[in-house]
Amino acid sequence: ELKVEQNPLFLSMQEGKNYTIYCNYSTTSDRLYWYRQDPGKSLESLFVLLSNGAVKQEGRLMASLDTKARLSTLHITAAVHDLSATYFCAVVPGTYKYIFGTGTRLKVLA
Amino acid sequence: DGGITQSPKYLFRKEGQNVTLSCEQNLNHDAMYWYRQDPGQGLRLIYYSQIVNDFQKGDIAEGYSVSREKKESFPLTVTSAQKNPTAFYLCASRTSGGTDTQYFGPGTRLTVL
Repeated sequence: ELKVEQNPLFLSMQEGKNYTIYCNYSTTSDRLYWYRQDPGKSLESLFVLLSNGAVKQEGRLMASLDTKARLSTLHITAAVHDLSATYFCAVVPGTYKYIFGTGTRLKVLA
Repeated sequence: DGGITQSPKYLFRKEGQNVTLSCEQNLNHDAMYWYRQDPGQGLRLIYYSQIVNDFQKGDIAEGYSVSREKKESFPLTVTSAQKNPTAFYLCASRTSGGTDTQYFGPGTRLTVL
């Protein structure tokens, strides 16, 4: 069974702190996507990681991909309240089907 | 502006009714998708279409139907056979080649009365 697991499921952190969200997947995929979802809203694309060792950064978020370990990380640096949201990773084991992770609900406390 | 639109934003259905959710995109994308999201959960694939006049079942297609008569449009019908349709429905389309990123519409929240 194809599985995409995120860890942790819930994360409450103080502003200014650093933390990492993990995305493990059970099938081969040469691509991995990170999305953000605000409460009641749609998904917004954050990062596309297209190869082993890929690293992308945008503001306080940095994503990386290790296809051999089937692991991606989303690192948060010096968190701010505006980063509070649910973050999803997704892999594409074939050509058209995307498998989404369980989601990580992040709450940044002032 | 290019993008994906979904309508209506909120939809209420009586038991036994069929309802159709609209999804339109002007991004010239070939592939389109329908997902269901339950509260506090991830996304589950209902149907996807790689090209006009072709579509495939996803993981939870029972009780749903789709059509793809035009490249821009991919409507989803929630039939009376879907016993628990209350959920947030998201439509997406995908770039062709390159990053193959999915872009999502704003969603339709369906509630069964």
